[in-house]
Amino acid sequence: NAGVMQNPRHLVRRRGQEARLRCSPMKGHSHVYWYRQLPEEGLKFMVYLQKENIIDESGMPKERFSAEFPKEGPSILRIQQVVRGDSAAYFCASSGSRAIEAFFGQGTRLTVV
Amino acid sequence: QQQVKQSPQSLIVQKGGISIINCAYENTAFDYFPWYQQFPGKGPALLIAIRPDVSEKKEGRFTISFNKSAKQFSLHIMDSQPGDSATYFCAASMKGAQKLVFGQGTRLTINP
Repeated sequence: NAGVMQNPRHLVRRRGQEARLRCSPMKGHSHVYWYRQLPEEGLKFMVYLQKENIIDESGMPKERFSAEFPKEGPSILRIQQVVRGDSAAYFCASSGSRAIEAFFGQGTRLTVV
Repeated sequence: QQQVKQSPQSLIVQKGGISIINCAYENTAFDYFPWYQQFPGKGPALLIAIRPDVSEKKEGRFTISFNKSAKQFSLHIMDSQPGDSATYFCAASMKGAQKLVFGQGTRLTINP
């Protein structure tokens, strides 16, 4: 039973480019969460999705960031026109229908140069 | 009110000793308090969790102590081992809300 799968593990983008981060939840999990971790800091909630629905996006920056979790395929976190301040580790987590225990992927480390 | 404050930022403990990490919160609507362990380059892994209807939960060498009136909870690692060296995060979530609010993290080093 594979865990939460994120890819790519490392992503380098130049300022102004787009970054696409992918997350496949654990088998049987229908809830997906995205968190951002800046160096030496804790994780900050960004968005919570269920299949085809955004449930809570209170932690998402108002511009350039978007997320989706389509009926088929992985959840995608998209960052348009990246800036140096977007450099961080982005973690995806998933949980089952009871939505109590969340399991995290290994993260995507985004570096903007 | 959404914050969870964690201390200390870093902690060094001798092998075999007890590691203690503390967290405090303000929002009394929080009703689920997990602890996560994170190794460098890895994602956080759920270690142990507690709800406010119990004052203590123990799993192996790991114990959560919960003080509802003081709005504080702590992680105790008994007989600490070098393999426990990692960053530990406390977190909290509210009933009906799925997102976790994380503390700032504690970098634990266990000296052999």
